[in-house]
Amino acid sequence: EVELLESGGGLVQPGESLRLSCVASGFSFNTYAMSWVRQTPGKGLQWVSGISGSGGNSYYADSVKGRFTISRDNSKNTIFLQMNNLRAEDAAIYYCAKDTGYDGYYYFDQWGQGTLVTVSS
Amino acid sequence: DVQMTQSPSTLSASVGDRVTIACRASRNISRWLAWYQQKPGKAPKLLIYTTSTLQTGVPSRFSGSGSGTEFTLTISSLQPDDFATYYCQQYSSYSRTFGRGTKVGVK
Repeated sequence: EVELLESGGGLVQPGESLRLSCVASGFSFNTYAMSWVRQTPGKGLQWVSGISGSGGNSYYADSVKGRFTISRDNSKNTIFLQMNNLRAEDAAIYYCAKDTGYDGYYYFDQWGQGTLVTVSS
Repeated sequence: DVQMTQSPSTLSASVGDRVTIACRASRNISRWLAWYQQKPGKAPKLLIYTTSTLQTGVPSRFSGSGSGTEFTLTISSLQPDDFATYYCQQYSSYSRTFGRGTKVGVK
């Protein structure tokens, strides 16, 4: 059974940093791209960032480019999202999602339970 | 980015009703469209991909159709477990985008 477990969310002030993690199990981790998708009541679901199976290619939404960095450790079946210079509009539930291919653009067939990021002074 | 527009945003229906949800893309996305179901406090769940292929385990009362810019999700006979919010998502480009959702509630 596929399982994705996010952690690292919390309350931070604007301008601060946070690092999210997602541990995966139940599939051949290094053969699939992975993504972070966030959700807010105001903007709905928004793809944030993705990374290829090897970790060699990474992709970002324009709204986070230059502030967020996605990475993965295939030896630990884990992906990360380093979020710097956080803004109020980054507040959301962040989901880790499994892509359905190695490197490219796909739909998401598995999702974690989400981790809440709150940005407020 | 490709903009995805869903309609209606909410609908009220009864068990046994046929329900149709529309999704429009701002440009041609061929058949690169998926549908998800989300219940309160839970993550989205994949229902359909490539416009009309049912994910394993999804009941056959769900179906999808369309191509290009116009797509629909149909629930042939609404069941109690189907009251939820439904989202479309395009994957024709790396910047995957979602519709704003359609909440299916009890009439």
